[in-house]
Amino acid sequence: DGGITQSPKYLFRKEGQNVTLSCEQNLNHDAMYWYRQDPGQGLRLIYYSQIVNDFQKGDIAEGYSVSREKKESFPLTVTSAQKNPTAFYLCASWDRGFGNQPQHFGDGTRLSIL
Amino acid sequence: GQNIDQPTEMTATEGAIVQINCTYQTSGFNGLFWYQQHAGEAPTFLSYNVLDGLEEKGRFSSFLSRSKGYSYLLLKELQMKDSASYLCAVRSTRNDYKLSFGAGTTVTVRA
Repeated sequence: DGGITQSPKYLFRKEGQNVTLSCEQNLNHDAMYWYRQDPGQGLRLIYYSQIVNDFQKGDIAEGYSVSREKKESFPLTVTSAQKNPTAFYLCASWDRGFGNQPQHFGDGTRLSIL
Repeated sequence: GQNIDQPTEMTATEGAIVQINCTYQTSGFNGLFWYQQHAGEAPTFLSYNVLDGLEEKGRFSSFLSRSKGYSYLLLKELQMKDSASYLCAVRSTRNDYKLSFGAGTTVTVRA
């Protein structure tokens, strides 16, 4: 079955440490996205990528970095510059954003500070 | 910028009907999506509207009025499993590849 796999499910970060969240999709979608969700809030866009080797900042990119070396993969690094990283991180993919096709989401990674 | 508003919480009784409103102000419009999200889980797609009117899918219906910047999600014959957060998301332009999400409405279904 096609889908999006995020790992790990839970992640703990020490102060001053960079951590990387994995996102892999086998839906053959061109576009991929990273969102952050805080308790009681909606999804805020961190970064997105429409095509391999290209990506754009979303609304809250500061303290985060991404790469898109393969169509299937879009890892997110939470750097030490992100002072409040505790949140639920969701990865999504989209079939070029056309028509009525929805974004598909992974199961999320919950990041906490040690 | 994008501004999408939804009520924060709603409570209803099992078997009843609940209507979740969503108003939006965006730079251009090319579709509105509704998602359901259970606590700690990924959002799942419920419905899509791009033209004015009502789209019905079983117990769930969604309505759109583009001139009013307004949509609602109607949940009928409520079940306990419908207790979740419901997210309204707007695509602002056809080639923008982005969705703007509302903060979500938490629906609690009581027995």
